[in-house]
Amino acid sequence: LAKTTQPISMDSYEGQEVNITCSHNNIATNDYITWYQQFPSQGPRFIIQGYKTKVTNEVASLFIPADRKSSTLSLPRVSLSDTAVYYCLVGDVSPGGGADGLTFGKGTHLIIQP
Amino acid sequence: DAGVTQSPTHLIKTRGQQVTLRCSPISGHKSVSWYQQVLGQGPQFIFQYYEKEERGRGNFPDRFSARQFPNYSSELNVNALLLGDSALYLCASSPQRGYQPQHFGDGTRLSIL
Repeated sequence: LAKTTQPISMDSYEGQEVNITCSHNNIATNDYITWYQQFPSQGPRFIIQGYKTKVTNEVASLFIPADRKSSTLSLPRVSLSDTAVYYCLVGDVSPGGGADGLTFGKGTHLIIQP
Repeated sequence: DAGVTQSPTHLIKTRGQQVTLRCSPISGHKSVSWYQQVLGQGPQFIFQYYEKEERGRGNFPDRFSARQFPNYSSELNVNALLLGDSALYLCASSPQRGYQPQHFGDGTRLSIL
């Protein structure tokens, strides 16, 4: 699995757009980028997944440049409830093609203030 | 549809005891994985089971074992508990092995005294 690097922590304010960048210089051809969100005392929750360019869903956007060596999770107009740890994972996600276990780093602790 | 359910939610044990944690995957999901998360760290992979067979194992001692039943539910067993086993134990399911995203339960908080 490709190693990822992301900031340990970030602060922002309600109503702002937050961008969390993840570096993955050794990403492989079959690898996708997946982001999970985790609140205290809860399990991680899938946010978004992408392979290249831009992916958008109802909660976030994921921007992936052409070289795919980094990616940016964008959270529009954050609220206090977006305070959580965000994990960036890189790996093959196809059935039977991915690793048997996910490798999580320490993630980015995002703190939203009023 | 129900998500991944884990029981119990909290558990207190003493050193040397044994514990069994249970997990029910999302209906139709055949793969179950177990993770240990200590405070301040990301989840660490322990086991993956698919079609009732162990398909992957992380770097954990033999005190940790698991099994998957015909209905795809799973149990994680930990013997000879140590203080360092205190953690949140997470179960995740997915339709097939190696597939993402995985769907996580809210875990069992295990405290060792």
